[in-house]
Amino acid sequence: QQQVKQSPQSLIVQKGGISIINCAYENTAFDYFPWYQQFPGKGPALLIAIRPDVSEKKEGRFTISFNKSAKQFSLHIMDSQPGDSATYFCAASIESGAQKLVFGQGTRLTINP
Amino acid sequence: DAGVIQSPRHEVTEMGQEVTLRCKPISGHNSLFWYRQTMMRGLELLIYFNNNVPIDDSGMPEDRFSAKMPNASFSTLKIQPSEPRDSAVYFCASRNTNIGSYEQYFGPGTRLTVT
Repeated sequence: QQQVKQSPQSLIVQKGGISIINCAYENTAFDYFPWYQQFPGKGPALLIAIRPDVSEKKEGRFTISFNKSAKQFSLHIMDSQPGDSATYFCAASIESGAQKLVFGQGTRLTINP
Repeated sequence: DAGVIQSPRHEVTEMGQEVTLRCKPISGHNSLFWYRQTMMRGLELLIYFNNNVPIDDSGMPEDRFSAKMPNASFSTLKIQPSEPRDSAVYFCASRNTNIGSYEQYFGPGTRLTVT
């Protein structure tokens, strides 16, 4: 019940294309859904996050779409650039409770120039 | 701000040896988290502290692992004795819940290799 399932494991997108990564969760108590970006040799860094009271959040080229009824959320990267090549992790937590982040398995994104 | 500082960045040790990983959280942050990252298991939370007090250590794999936070600016994760299956990247992260922030700031990690 604590799992967050992420897909795909790896993704190759052409420069300028749209990258889409999906996550699904089971625990309806989750109330905070962040996406982290990790470059090789670095720690994960928060990219964008959403609360379940909204269905979409956009920051620049990055958008989270959230479907509460389906218990799914996704990251869309518009106009993908080679510099976006990294590993992306979705996560979820119960901020009103234990506050522990549960991470998805990660997606290795490669943007071809 | 220097960010979360971890040391050492790389550690190679032999099976059976004691290993101590160190973390300095961002100044003013009151929550600290230790994670382990492997290809097989991804990012796993090992333990976290609020105001220097361990809140949840259910992710600590076994008694060989221990963590302490003697003050607000320092934490250690100790493995004794170490085993090859402990080889992983260990991350420390901190956050400031006093301002209602959910964001965790990760350090650069310590890559541990146990031979």
